[in-house]
Amino acid sequence: SQQGEEDPQALSIQEGENATMNCSYKTSINNLQWYRQNSGRGLVHLILIRSNEREKHSGRLRVTLDTSKKSSSLLITASRAADTASYFCATVPAWGNEKLTFGTGTRLTIIP
Amino acid sequence: DSGVTQTPKHLITATGQRVTLRCSPRSGDLSVYWYQQSLDQGLQFLIQYYNGEERAKGNILERFSAQQFPDLHSELNLSSLELGDSALYFCASSGGLAVNTGELFFGEGSRLTVL
Repeated sequence: SQQGEEDPQALSIQEGENATMNCSYKTSINNLQWYRQNSGRGLVHLILIRSNEREKHSGRLRVTLDTSKKSSSLLITASRAADTASYFCATVPAWGNEKLTFGTGTRLTIIP
Repeated sequence: DSGVTQTPKHLITATGQRVTLRCSPRSGDLSVYWYQQSLDQGLQFLIQYYNGEERAKGNILERFSAQQFPDLHSELNLSSLELGDSALYFCASSGGLAVNTGELFFGEGSRLTVL
């Protein structure tokens, strides 16, 4: 079963624009992570944000977390063609089983 | 390169057959995770091993089994294959017991096609 739901399912923007993807989840979390997957390739970790954090930056990436709304957003600024990929949020529950559960993903296409 | 190696990269087989997927984790990582990615189910967690012991179990079918060997490599065995088992199977590794402290490093996956 999926813990997270990404929105939108697909997004196309012009190169240089900012891209925002949202993730909603159902249960309380210990942390939330974002991963990128190029077509048919393995997933690559982008950033991890803990439940007591509200915002985190890494290069052109900005992640926010709102635990009251059980949601997170990933902002990619100044997008590049190489950012074309699928982006997944993944959550670790606050208690119990520590498995990482992935959302459904957002397919991002950057138009040169 | 994540440092996680999966073989084979591609595998085509027939229904009813059995296959074994192999994973070598990053050097020093004790935890190995198996995920299944299909178009209709998305990324599904199957099972986790830590230093040779089963640690967590997800949506793994009874026809599937896994193990982690003393050298820390892992194998996922899929038997009595059905058309619906066609998917990309990923192995991931991490240094610690839990994912609470950091990221998973994914291999490039094994694409299984069942005809």
